[in-house]
Order: sequence, then C-alpha cells, then structure tokens
Amino acid sequence: AQSVAQPEDQVNVAEGNPLTVKCTYSVSGNPYLFWYVQYPNRGLQFLLKYITGDNLVKGSYGFEAEFNKSQTSFHLKKPSALVSDSALYFCAVRDVTSGTYKYIFGTGTRLKVLA
Amino acid sequence: SQTIHQWPATLVQPVGSPLSLECTVEGTSNPNLYWYRQAAGRGLQLLFYSVGIGQISSEVPQNLSASRPQDRQFILSSKKLLLSDSGFYLCAWSGQGANSPLHFGNGTRLTVT
Repeated sequence: AQSVAQPEDQVNVAEGNPLTVKCTYSVSGNPYLFWYVQYPNRGLQFLLKYITGDNLVKGSYGFEAEFNKSQTSFHLKKPSALVSDSALYFCAVRDVTSGTYKYIFGTGTRLKVLA
Repeated sequence: SQTIHQWPATLVQPVGSPLSLECTVEGTSNPNLYWYRQAAGRGLQLLFYSVGIGQISSEVPQNLSASRPQDRQFILSSKKLLLSDSGFYLCAWSGQGANSPLHFGNGTRLTVT
C-alpha cells in the first residue's frame, strides 16, 4: 500500500536559517509526490510536486524539495526561513496503482519560525 | 483559471439536525472531487471522492453521504448530525492526470452542539 510518513510533529527554526521538513514514502511503482501548506482555518495550498526528472524540485514561496530514491525521501527545504512560513505542512503521495487516484497524506508537521 | 468555492465557512448545528455542505469548481471540466475531514488541525481523513457525475466512492462508513448532481458540484450531507461529526471539512478537486495536484477550498468549520 502507498504511504507517506512525516516523522516530526513540529520543527522550530530561527528566522533566516535554512529549514527542512522531512517526508519518507512507500510506494509500488513510480512515486507522485506533493507538498502542501496550511495556514490556520484555511484549506491546503499546493507548494510543489515531483513526478519525474530532476531530483530537486522548485515550488512556490521559495520552497524546494529534494527527491531521494535510495532513501525513499522527499524532504521540503528552504534556504532562509521567514516568520510567515510558520504553518502546517503536509506531504502526500498519489495512489496510481489502484486506479482510483486517491491522495494519501502524512500526519503533518508544524513549522514554527522564530524571530 | 480554476477556482473552488466552498460554503458556508462556519456552521453551528444541534445534534440530530441535517447537514448540507456545498462545493463548486469553476474553470475546469470533469474534475475529480473529494471531501476530507480534518480533526484537531492535523491529519486529513478522506471521506468521499468522485470521478464523475453520480459516481461516489465512500472511504469511511458513517452517517455522512455525498452527491454529485452536476459535473462541478459536490455536496456533503447528513440526515442527523452526531457530536463526533464536528470538524473542519475540506472540499478539493484535481485533474484526471496522475500528476495533477489537489486544489482545496477554504473549508467549513462545523461545530455540532
């Protein structure tokens, strides 16, 4: 079965420092991986996706993600964190094996950027 | 461009009352449509999804139901709400391609009292 794991409930980082939010996946076949951000009382916003090609994917708001097939990871990164990046981040994989094209989400990681 | 509308934004309903949440998508045709529930601001639970008009798949057996009367309209309903139905309900759509991301509405905060 397809799954994603976000091992950290919360990540704290100082403003201006680089940030990493971790995600590992388990899929059969090629992975279709996504990152989303959620601000309080709002829906999730799409940040970026990995389908195939370059292992470093660039997305919205200066975020990027590194796909590592050998480690089955898809970590979200940003070179310099902003206080406004504080939010809840979700990793997701699209299940393309069952023919239903459902999205499977991790449990979320709360990012807190400290001024 | 595509947009998704979800309403109402907040709702307070007594136990045993009916529920109807509506979601519409503009700017695309034949989208896949989804209803999620998020409890306590964390994990997302897929409730229903639809790949076409009248085609509804249920992920979690419960007292909720969904309908898709038109291509870009998705409705979440209940005949009698339970306290446990409280939560943040999110509607989303995606394209048909495997690499299409999900696009979410702004959600409905439902409190059952």
